[in-house]
Amino acid sequence: AQTVTQSQPEMSVQEAETVTLSCTYDTSENNYYLFWYKQPPSRQMILVIRQEAYKQQNATENRFSVNFQKAAKSFSLKISDSQLGDTAMYFCAFMTTSGTYKYIFGTGTRLKVLA
Amino acid sequence: EAQVTQNPRYLITVTGKKLTVTCSQNMNHEYMSWYRQDPGLGLRQIYYSMNVEVTDKGDVPEGYKVSRKEKRNFPLILESPSPNQTSLYFCASGRTGGSYEQYFGPGTRLTVT
Repeated sequence: AQTVTQSQPEMSVQEAETVTLSCTYDTSENNYYLFWYKQPPSRQMILVIRQEAYKQQNATENRFSVNFQKAAKSFSLKISDSQLGDTAMYFCAFMTTSGTYKYIFGTGTRLKVLA
Repeated sequence: EAQVTQNPRYLITVTGKKLTVTCSQNMNHEYMSWYRQDPGLGLRQIYYSMNVEVTDKGDVPEGYKVSRKEKRNFPLILESPSPNQTSLYFCASGRTGGSYEQYFGPGTRLTVT
């Protein structure tokens, strides 16, 4: 069975600093996608960044970047120049496209950006 | 405006009283899905649908039903709700092919007493 593990339930970072959120996953599939979603206090789920497993290049979106290590099954999120608006719950997610199309989420990391 | 809508946003009901949470998207997405979010457990997928009349179980389908008769709608049905179904529910949609990113509705807070 596929699993997604986020081992950091809570983290904090000073404004303007850099923080890295960890995510590991387990799968025997070769074709899959990885995502980071953000859930601010409003509860709205928002896509932060995505990575296709077949792409070796790490995805970046402005201040957000990932470190995708396929062999290690690791998918960490780096937030640079942290802003108060980055305070949120962050979920790592996995989806395979080999047979089933289930989405598997991790348990989340609550990030607090301190002024 | 491209969006996923859910109704109702809040619902308090009693054990055993059938209820339906509606979900609708206006982005012509093939993929639609329901999740429940519980503290410490993250989001867990209940059911998903790859297209009209095609549905499949997620990780926690027990006690729920879905149907996909139209591309834009994907209602979640609780035939006999129980207190352990008290949760925050999200509907989401996305394209098949491409990136499979999902767009989420605002959530429905359900309390079963």
